[in-house]
Amino acid sequence: DTAVSQTPKYLVTQMGNDKSIKCEQNLGHDTMYWYKQDSKKFLKIMFSYNNKELIINETVPNRFSPKSPDKAHLNLHINSLELGDSAVYFCASSQEPQLDIYEQYFGPGTRLTVT
Amino acid sequence: AQKVTQAQTEISVVEKEDVTLDCVYETRDTTYYLFWYKQPPSGELVFLIRRNSFDEQNEISGRYSWNFQKSTSSFNFTITASQVVDSAVYFCALSEIQAGNNRKLIWGLGTSLAVNP
Repeated sequence: DTAVSQTPKYLVTQMGNDKSIKCEQNLGHDTMYWYKQDSKKFLKIMFSYNNKELIINETVPNRFSPKSPDKAHLNLHINSLELGDSAVYFCASSQEPQLDIYEQYFGPGTRLTVT
Repeated sequence: AQKVTQAQTEISVVEKEDVTLDCVYETRDTTYYLFWYKQPPSGELVFLIRRNSFDEQNEISGRYSWNFQKSTSSFNFTITASQVVDSAVYFCALSEIQAGNNRKLIWGLGTSLAVNP
């Protein structure tokens, strides 16, 4: 029944490792997003995909690579993890009709801790 | 450039008090959308309301109400008779349709509301 799900919920890893976070939505939405929320709760958009096509790519280090195998899934792979990557990562999805903007629905978040 | 300002970083109230969370935005577009989200201590982000720039009607949902004033570029959120369960960080956000049908939410920094028993 979960609308937007992410796995894992917690991820603790060492610097230099590579890790992935998975996201799935069952809302039938066309657009999915990855956000990073830092310790001060600041929310920053990282990527957005519409129908498997990358449409937003903010200034994110290229160690971060999103992959959308289909419009219901958007995964985030991070190479060579650094201490500064520690944050909560949220996946979200929304409908995106041509001339309208709808709300985004968020997953529960993945708390990444890099030691 | 678009911008969302939530000037109140933290607010603390006693249960049953009314509290208003301010949100001021900047945009050059005539068509835009405004949102409020709640992030309780459990961490999830919960959608509360979406408002189109052409719809200036105020909205009430139970103890929650929103006041949209285009003249002052504000979209304030009031909780009436606050409860401990209202304790959360509340985010205001602005979205526009950009070139190439690109949409991006511009987020405020959030207001942390503590409702004390």
